[in-house]
Amino acid sequence: QKEVEQDPGPLSVPEGAIVSLNCTYSNSAFQYFMWYRQYSRKGPELLMYTYSSGNKEDGRFTAQVDKSSKYISLFIRDSQPSDSATYLCAMRDSGGYNKLIFGAGTRLAVHP
Amino acid sequence: ETGVTQSPTHLIKTRGQQVTLRCSSQSGHNTVSWYQQALGQGPQFIFQYYREEENGRGNFPPRFSGLQFPNYSSELNVNALELDDSALYLCASSLSWGQGANTEAFFGQGTRLTVV
Repeated sequence: QKEVEQDPGPLSVPEGAIVSLNCTYSNSAFQYFMWYRQYSRKGPELLMYTYSSGNKEDGRFTAQVDKSSKYISLFIRDSQPSDSATYLCAMRDSGGYNKLIFGAGTRLAVHP
Repeated sequence: ETGVTQSPTHLIKTRGQQVTLRCSSQSGHNTVSWYQQALGQGPQFIFQYYREEENGRGNFPPRFSGLQFPNYSSELNVNALELDDSALYLCASSLSWGQGANTEAFFGQGTRLTVV
């Protein structure tokens, strides 16, 4: 079993839809949770960074962390064709070193 | 743009050869990590360098090695290349690391390595 599970999709939605992306994890030591966006043939771009449980909002993006369920989510409101990319969840614990554990990524396509 | 730059962007090597990939970290960042991303997969942690020393390693064999220089730039070296080493290699820089450290990792655009 992988430490981080993420549905690879692809997920196809119409422009303006609300998108929900999710990851589950098994390691209760994870404290820091991130969402990255990766366009084709590019490096991952940090979207959201959350510590422990709770919600965080930035523009059209909302990240939620539920540590009791070991479940994190990213919501995208008013989705745009420019949001079409692969979304990667990543997480790490608070000790040792800055090793990120990634999900496999969900491919999102937003069509006009 | 993250300020993390990698070179070269693309590379083709023959099985058994050696390769060196380079990374310049974001200004002010003293920690560099390297990741391998196979097609359709999430990045996998290779190792991390902090103040010129390796201080963390993932499940990669010793033929994957690295260096960090006084200006915090870094190299990833892979010896005896295998076909399965074909992947996107990503460098990430951050300010620091450690227990309780609330740091963010910023990635470069990657080097796409093809082994034939």
